[in-house]
Amino acid sequence: SQQGEEDPQALSIQEGENATMNCSYKTSINNLQWYRQNSGRGLVHLILIRSNEREKHSGRLRVTLDTSKKSSSLLITASRAADTASYFCATDGVYNQGGKLIFGQGTELSVKP
Amino acid sequence: KAGVTQTPRYLIKTRGQQVTLSCSPISGHRSVSWYQQTPGQGLQFLFEYFSETQRNKGNFPGRFSGRQFSNSRSEMNVSTLELGDSALYLCASSLVQGAEQFFGPGTRLTVL
Repeated sequence: SQQGEEDPQALSIQEGENATMNCSYKTSINNLQWYRQNSGRGLVHLILIRSNEREKHSGRLRVTLDTSKKSSSLLITASRAADTASYFCATDGVYNQGGKLIFGQGTELSVKP
Repeated sequence: KAGVTQTPRYLIKTRGQQVTLSCSPISGHRSVSWYQQTPGQGLQFLFEYFSETQRNKGNFPGRFSGRQFSNSRSEMNVSTLELGDSALYLCASSLVQGAEQFFGPGTRLTVL
């Protein structure tokens, strides 16, 4: 079963607005990663945040991690129509062997021009 | 560097047949993971290989198998295909465990 839960499942905003997506997970992690997927194509890696980090930035992306609440959020600022995609969080669990990521169900983001 | 490549991109098979999918990782990456994506189950981990050894396996039946070659290229095989095996199969490579995983474009398998 999937470990991650994402909220909301779908989000529709106007260009220029900010988009916030949340992810919760169940077990202890080494890191949490966020990915973007356009229309059933491959996943694009956005950002990785380690368990000892609380916040990370990359361009218009800001990710926070709260290990006490087992949750993370992804903020996309000043969104563009090109940001329209599905966004997934994925966790690398402490007790995993090998490169196993557990994915959430994803948030479908629609940015209207 | 070239990204992760997967072949073929699209495949149509009938029930009972078998299929082999191929993945070439980013140069220098020794870890290759495979995932299945379906609308109902989402993204699910199949297995991971590192230096030709399977280190981890997801909760899939034995019909799903894989291997990795000395050049880190990996293949996955599905035997006795079922309708429910229709999915997007994604492979990902990473430098070491705990690092970012970089995904290929996927192989879309349709079982009729």
